Order: sequence, then C-alpha cells, then structure tokens
Amino acid sequence: EPEVTQTPSHQVTQMGQEVILRCVPISNHLYFYWYRQILGQKVEFLVSFYNNEISEKSEIFDDQFSVERPDGSNFTLKIRSTKLEDSAMYFCASYTGTGNTEAFFGQGTRLTVV
Amino acid sequence: AQTVTQSQPEMSVQEAETVTLSCTYDTSESDYYLFWYKQPPSRQMILVIRQEAYKQQNATENRFSVNFQKAAKSFSLKISDSQLGDAAMYFCGTSYNTDKLIFGTGTRLQVFP
Repeated sequence: EPEVTQTPSHQVTQMGQEVILRCVPISNHLYFYWYRQILGQKVEFLVSFYNNEISEKSEIFDDQFSVERPDGSNFTLKIRSTKLEDSAMYFCASYTGTGNTEAFFGQGTRLTVV
Repeated sequence: AQTVTQSQPEMSVQEAETVTLSCTYDTSESDYYLFWYKQPPSRQMILVIRQEAYKQQNATENRFSVNFQKAAKSFSLKISDSQLGDAAMYFCGTSYNTDKLIFGTGTRLQVFP
C-alpha cells in the first residue's frame, strides 16, 4: 500500500538553528499539507500546498516557516531559526485531489529544540 | 470557520464491550466531510472512518461505526467488541473537500482486560 514517508523520525536541534523536515508524498497526490502537534495537544494545520504554491496557511505559519517541493517528489518544511516552542510532532499529509478526500498522513517527525 | 469539539478528554472500556466517543462540530459549508483518526502511542495518525455529509447512511468499518446527526452537528464514533489494540487517542475532524482538516482536542481511550 502506498504511504507518505517522513524523515527524520526524530530531530534534536539547538535553538536558533535551521531545520528542514522532509516528506515524500504518495506519487499521484496533488495536495500537500503540514500539520503540527505540540505534546498533549491537538493536531493543528500549518500550511497547504497545491500546484507548486501555498494555497493556505495558518497564523502559526509565520515568516520563520517555508515550504517547497524542490524536485517534484519531496515536500519540505523549513524552520529558519527554531524556538523552544517549535518543539512538536510535525505531520505531512497528502490527498489525490480527484474526488477522494482521504488524507494520508506520514508517521511524523518529532522535533525537539533545546 | 469550522470548529470541532470533543467533550470527553478520557474514556475507558472493558475488553469486548462497546464504547461511544462524542464529537460535535460547526461549519458553514454544506458539502463537507467528517473523520475519526486514531493516534496510538507511536503518534502516527491513522484514519478510522470517514463520512460524507451528503450521505444520510452512517458509515461503518468493521467494528467501527458512526452516528451522524447532521441537524445536531453531531458525529459520534462507536467501537464494538473493544480490543486492547484500540487503546489510543481518537481525534474527530472535519474538512471541506480537499481543504485542511480541523481537529478536535482528542479523547484518550483506555481499554481494560
């Protein structure tokens, strides 16, 4: 069964450092998303991406965040200067966009900022 | 704006028994989708069941079924014949077409042998 793959599974970084979280969506999917889950809290939408551009972003997705699809397969989330409060699970998700509204989630990347 | 409310932070059930998790939502959309996702300790998000709002028939997936009350904006999940592996966080969510998913705060389900 096709799946969304995220790397790394766990990343520890120092405050102020840049991190890049990587996702490989399912190959025929057209809509891509990043979500964040702070420990013990709900899963929150960060950003959606379609046709090589951001289609929507939340208030959380400030100038420290950026997304891109550099090579047509990977979908990355970059945090330029990490803060302690960026520590969370980050989930990538994708849809086909052709009438099937099931979002397939990756296994998540646990980001720890120290 | 869409909102999802899960009023039960924790629930427990005995193995083989039935449990119902509650969810209410609010949306201005007429064509939307409702979901239940399971998050085990591994923290992966696993789709349990999905309901299209335009369908009157309640969705069913093996031991999992929903009670969808559109007028009341209620979408509860019933787990029959509960198993130890059902223990997890359960998140109710809604989306409009391929729009973002909006989740509730989750219900932690414990299953006792």
